[in-house]
Amino acid sequence: EVQLVESGGGLVQPGGSLRLSCAASGFTFGSYWMGWVRQAPGKGLEWVANIKPDGSEKFYVDSVKGRFTISRDNAKDSLSLDMNGLRAEDTAIYYCARGHEGAFDYWGQGTLVTVSS
Amino acid sequence: DIVMTQTPLSSPVTLGQPASISCRSSQSLEHRDGDTYLSWLQQRPGQPPRLLIYKISTRFSGVPDRFSGSGAGTDFTLKISRVEAEDVGVYYCMQAKEFPITFGQGTRLEIK
Repeated sequence: EVQLVESGGGLVQPGGSLRLSCAASGFTFGSYWMGWVRQAPGKGLEWVANIKPDGSEKFYVDSVKGRFTISRDNAKDSLSLDMNGLRAEDTAIYYCARGHEGAFDYWGQGTLVTVSS
Repeated sequence: DIVMTQTPLSSPVTLGQPASISCRSSQSLEHRDGDTYLSWLQQRPGQPPRLLIYKISTRFSGVPDRFSGSGAGTDFTLKISRVEAEDVGVYYCMQAKEFPITFGQGTRLEIK
C-alpha cells in the first residue's frame, strides 16, 4: 500500500525557516517524480515544487523560487521541502504527492504551516 | 502560465441525478509526446485530494465507473452519471503539460 506521511509543520514567525519531510512507503520511491502542493485555509490547491526521480531537476512556482528548496533521499525513501524567508501568504496545509502519468496519484494527509507573529 | 478555468464554481445536484463540471485551459494541453496531461481530483471535506481521472479520461484505480472524463485540446469535462452522497466535495482539474503545474479554482458539489 502506497503511503506518504508528512511532518515538520508548525507555527513560525515571518522571515523564519521550516523543513518539511515526507516519508514514503509501499512503492519504489526512486522511480517516481515527487511534488509538494499547498492549500491555504479555505482556498484551492497550489502547486509548489516538483523533483525528478533522480533529483537532477527541480521545478518551483515563482512565488517560492529562491526561498524554498525541494530535495529527496532515495536511499531513505524521503522527500523534503526547506522553506526560508517564510511569509504570511505561505500559511497553508502542505501535501506531499507522487507524480505519475502527468498526475498526482497518491497524496499524504498534509502538514499545516502557519506563519504568524 | 496556463490558466485553468472551471465552471460552474458551485453545483447543487439531486441524489441519483447526473452532474457535469467543465474545465477550460488557456492553451492546448497536448504535450509534444502526444499525451494530454489533464487530470481531475476530488477533495472531500477535511480530506486530502484524491485522484479520479488522468490523461483526460483514464480512471484511477478504485474510482467508481460513474465518474468519467472527456475532452481535448483546451476543453474538458468531468461527468458523474448518478451522484451519490459520498461525492460531496470540491473537484479540481489540473494540468501538467508544463511547469508551473496549475489547478482550476475548484467546483463545489453539494446535494440539493
